[in-house]
Amino acid sequence: KNEVEQSPQNLTAQEGEFITINCSYSVGISALHWLQQHPGGGIVSLFMLSSGKKKHGRLIATINIQEKHSSLHITASHPRDSAVYICAVCDTGNQFYFGTGTSLTVIP
Amino acid sequence: DTAVSQTPKYLVTQMGNDKSIKCEQNLGHDTMYWYKQDSKKFLKIMFSYNNKELIINETVPNRFSPKSPDKAHLNLHINSLELGDSAVYFCASSPRDREGEQYFGPGTRLTVT
Repeated sequence: KNEVEQSPQNLTAQEGEFITINCSYSVGISALHWLQQHPGGGIVSLFMLSSGKKKHGRLIATINIQEKHSSLHITASHPRDSAVYICAVCDTGNQFYFGTGTSLTVIP
Repeated sequence: DTAVSQTPKYLVTQMGNDKSIKCEQNLGHDTMYWYKQDSKKFLKIMFSYNNKELIINETVPNRFSPKSPDKAHLNLHINSLELGDSAVYFCASSPRDREGEQYFGPGTRLTVT
């Protein structure tokens, strides 16, 4: 069983829809990342969280440490948001674990 | 002014060859990493170097050897390439005591034929 589980694996949405991607993990963490990987392959770090909530533009990331769960929300989705979103956690021993990613397609 | 750079971006080579992928970061970070992303898009850490010392070595074949000439560079050398080595390899770096804050390179797509 993977230490980091994401859902859904694939997601198709209409432009403008509100999108939620979920991440659950089983290890004690020092930080959680949300990463974005576009079809071209490059990886961009969207958020790093250790508690609470962060917002950047139309993206919001939340984390509940007690429940070992994080969500990434995209408001007013746009076709350019189409990408793979990866949840990754850094445990208290500085070991990194990655989720398998959520492939998002936003249709105009 | 690229923060983490990798060369080459694409590498196509035959089985049995030896190849290297270079990584450089200009962020002054102490720790650098190599990750492998397989065909199923799953990222897995391979190595971590902290100020030129290896601190993580996952169950990676010893055909893979990281080489760090200085704090800003972490190169990945692969001997006797196999078909299963085909993947995208990402380099990353993080500041001292903030290993959770990682900056990724653009990736190197390796294809072994």
